[in-house]
Amino acid sequence: GEDVEQSLFLSVREGDSSVINCTYTDSSSTYLYWYKQEPGAGLQLLTYIFSNMDMKQDQRLTVLLNKKDKHLSLRIADTQTGDSAIYFCAESIGDGQNFVFGPGTRLSVLP
Amino acid sequence: KAGVTQTPRYLIKTRGQQVTLSCSPISGHRSVSWYQQTPGQGLQFLFEYFSETQRNKGNFPGRFSGRQFSNSRSEMNVSTLELGDSALYLCASSLGASPTGELFFGEGSRLTVL
Repeated sequence: GEDVEQSLFLSVREGDSSVINCTYTDSSSTYLYWYKQEPGAGLQLLTYIFSNMDMKQDQRLTVLLNKKDKHLSLRIADTQTGDSAIYFCAESIGDGQNFVFGPGTRLSVLP
Repeated sequence: KAGVTQTPRYLIKTRGQQVTLSCSPISGHRSVSWYQQTPGQGLQFLFEYFSETQRNKGNFPGRFSGRQFSNSRSEMNVSTLELGDSALYLCASSLGASPTGELFFGEGSRLTVL
């Protein structure tokens, strides 16, 4: 079945760049997404990329998509302590709103 | 505009009981999806409702069911609770017309089964 994989933990120093990686299996996914979850909260959509794009930039966020390798990455420039959270990669499956989420990467930003 | 509202936020049940969770989507959103989040399994898709019809279903046993009302509010029910049902249940709403990524999540209902 469909599967999305991510590394579970990442630690960076404040001000450095963070790169969170993700691999997915469903090559028919039209969109791929990054969600952020802060403690005690639901998920918040950060950004998404259409599958025919290679890159999307949105302020401090850069999404890179390698469709051939089914690899997605999220780069956060100038990482701040407020960026500490769990980041989920997700792909949409089929019709409707059926999303497959990765296990999440816990980003810790050290002062 | 008000976000996705889930009630109750926290609840404790015992094995064998049943539970009903409620979700009020963002006004104008017609799709409501439910996810189960656990430390071991992560986020798993339960089902999605659109215009009162179940449009998609994940791989959960029949003890898990849901419904959607004409005002788009949704409920999910879990019968004969098991310890493994302890989880954060997240509801998400969207316009539902196509998977453009705009899923708006509520803060979840945290269920503990003793």
